[in-house]
Amino acid sequence: AQTVTQSQPEMSVQEAETVTLSCTYDTSESDYYLFWYKQPPSRQMILVIRQEAYKQQNATENRFSVNFQKAAKSFSLKISDSQLGDAAMYFCASNSGGGADGLTFGKGTHLIIQP
Amino acid sequence: NAGVTQTPKFRILKIGQSMTLQCTQDMNHNYMYWYRQDPGMGLKLIYYSVGAGITDKGEVPNGYNVSRSTTEDFPLRLELAAPSQTSVYFCASSYFKVDDGYTFGSGTRLTVV
Repeated sequence: AQTVTQSQPEMSVQEAETVTLSCTYDTSESDYYLFWYKQPPSRQMILVIRQEAYKQQNATENRFSVNFQKAAKSFSLKISDSQLGDAAMYFCASNSGGGADGLTFGKGTHLIIQP
Repeated sequence: NAGVTQTPKFRILKIGQSMTLQCTQDMNHNYMYWYRQDPGMGLKLIYYSVGAGITDKGEVPNGYNVSRSTTEDFPLRLELAAPSQTSVYFCASSYFKVDDGYTFGSGTRLTVV
């Protein structure tokens, strides 16, 4: 079974600054995918970024980028130029890639943006 | 384009009552999922379906049942509601497994008293 660990229950950052959210995972699979989801107070789950394990290049989506360290099983999310709208819960998730049995989620990190 | 639609958005049940949470998607996705999110926790998989007529258990299936008679609909049935089922329930769908990412519904907040 896969496990996903987010060791930071809460993070705070000043507006326009950069913040990094940590995530580690454990899997015995060689083919898998990693995701970061954002959940604002509206409760809607929004896909922020995804990473395919066989790709060495780190994924980037505008102000969001990841630092994927496969050997260390680490998958951190960097948010540059933080904006007030980035305030939310952020969940790291993984799947085996070989099956249809869904994602394993971490417990989440609550990100606070200080104006 | 509605995406994934869940109804109701809120519900209060008494212990022992039953109810069905509805989930409909209009994207012709093959894969559909039900998750629950307890306070301060991530999402946990209850049931999933890879197509009409095919369902399978996830991590926390006890106390729930599902059916998938059409590609669009994936209802979740709670029988004999218990306080431990107080949670937020999310339905999600994807076209090819989870690799393309999910589309989530907006969730149902269920309280069992």
